[in-house]
Amino acid sequence: DIQMTQSPSSLSASVGDRVTITCRASQDIRNDLGWYQQKPGKAPKRLIYAASSLQSGVPSRFSGSGSGTEFTLIISSLQPEDFATYYCLHHSTYPWTFGQGTKVEIK
Amino acid sequence: QVQLVQSGGEVKKPGASVKVSCKTSGYTFTSYGVSWVRQAPGQGLEWMGWISTYNGNTKYAQKLQGRVTMTTDTSTSTAYMELRSLTSDDTAVYYCGRGVLDYWGQGTLVTVSS
Repeated sequence: DIQMTQSPSSLSASVGDRVTITCRASQDIRNDLGWYQQKPGKAPKRLIYAASSLQSGVPSRFSGSGSGTEFTLIISSLQPEDFATYYCLHHSTYPWTFGQGTKVEIK
Repeated sequence: QVQLVQSGGEVKKPGASVKVSCKTSGYTFTSYGVSWVRQAPGQGLEWMGWISTYNGNTKYAQKLQGRVTMTTDTSTSTAYMELRSLTSDDTAVYYCGRGVLDYWGQGTLVTVSS
């Protein structure tokens, strides 16, 4: 099974900060990766698909990059509504696996 | 617009079974598979499996093999997830999602308690 190692597990940041979250895959997953945002009590929402494509309707301050085994989600200028937990998900082969999550909190 | 609407919360006793439904609309049901994901209280997301709405093929997480069955009803564009032999470790919010999880249902809380 492919393992997804996500870091950091949590971070504190201020409005306007640039935030970087990383996922590492234990094997090559090409670009079969998505990034999700989850707010308390809500279903996750996809932000990025195919590692770097922005989901329709998602603000352009979100961006994704990477391929193979190293992937990054960047929030270029953190907004109040971005405080949430973020997950990566690979769907390269079965079973799919999520990263452990990164909780983004207000500093 | 694409919508996935799940059935309501359930309370079950240990050893029982639960069946969660996921009614879809706004797209051609048989053009996308359906994935299932669960989230235990305070924990991360766990992929449970996927079903092809085209031919019914399934892929399940190893840890759930033998206890989970995913099915679909193409006449009503609805997917189902049944989990048997429930224990307290199965207490979680269960989500369905379209294909590679581009759209999600609202979640169904399943509580297993004696």
